[in-house]
Amino acid sequence: KQEVTQIPAALSVPEGENLVLNCSFTDSAIYNLQWFRQDPGKGLTSLLLIQSSQREQTSGRLNASLDKSSGRSTLYIAASQPGDSATYLCAGATGGYQKVTFGTGTKLQVIP
Amino acid sequence: GAGVSQTPSNKVTEKGKYVELRCDPISGHTALYWYRQSLGQGPEFLIYFQGTGAADDSGLPNDRFFAVRPEGSVSTLKIQRTERGDSAVYLCASSKQGFDEQFFGPGTRLTVL
Repeated sequence: KQEVTQIPAALSVPEGENLVLNCSFTDSAIYNLQWFRQDPGKGLTSLLLIQSSQREQTSGRLNASLDKSSGRSTLYIAASQPGDSATYLCAGATGGYQKVTFGTGTKLQVIP
Repeated sequence: GAGVSQTPSNKVTEKGKYVELRCDPISGHTALYWYRQSLGQGPEFLIYFQGTGAADDSGLPNDRFFAVRPEGSVSTLKIQRTERGDSAVYLCASSKQGFDEQFFGPGTRLTVL
């Protein structure tokens, strides 16, 4: 059974700082890993999807990496802004079907 | 284009009642997923449809929960004899095919009194 862990549960940083969010998973037979952000009371917004054959994906100030052998993914946010404040969730897809397991998220606060 | 939509946005019901939650996926997306999210937790997988068929329903908590997607587009999650523990936000997502990027709807907040 796939288990996904995100550490830390909460993070507070000053505006402009670069930061890294961590995601660990137990089943290395992962098809893909997706990063989302969730604003309070809202649904999930997809940020980046990394297929198992890829090592990283980039979108703007965001860079996500995937290391299947160590069971880890990281989301790097450059030059953080107050608008980046949200909960960030990672989700891994494993199994014969598209069964996705989510982590519990990292709540990020960027202080102006 | 239009994203994933869910109706209603909020549903309040009494214990023991039956509820239906609707999901309209992005047009052309063959894969559809239902999740349940409790406060402070990540979404929990319930069921995955590929086309009209439920490819994986292993996340449905018990036989009070059932979902359909009769024409391979709109899906309905049905909950019978609701219990207070069913209170959560129910999220729907769709993707072009299985294992593609998932796009989420805004969710339905279900409150069982």
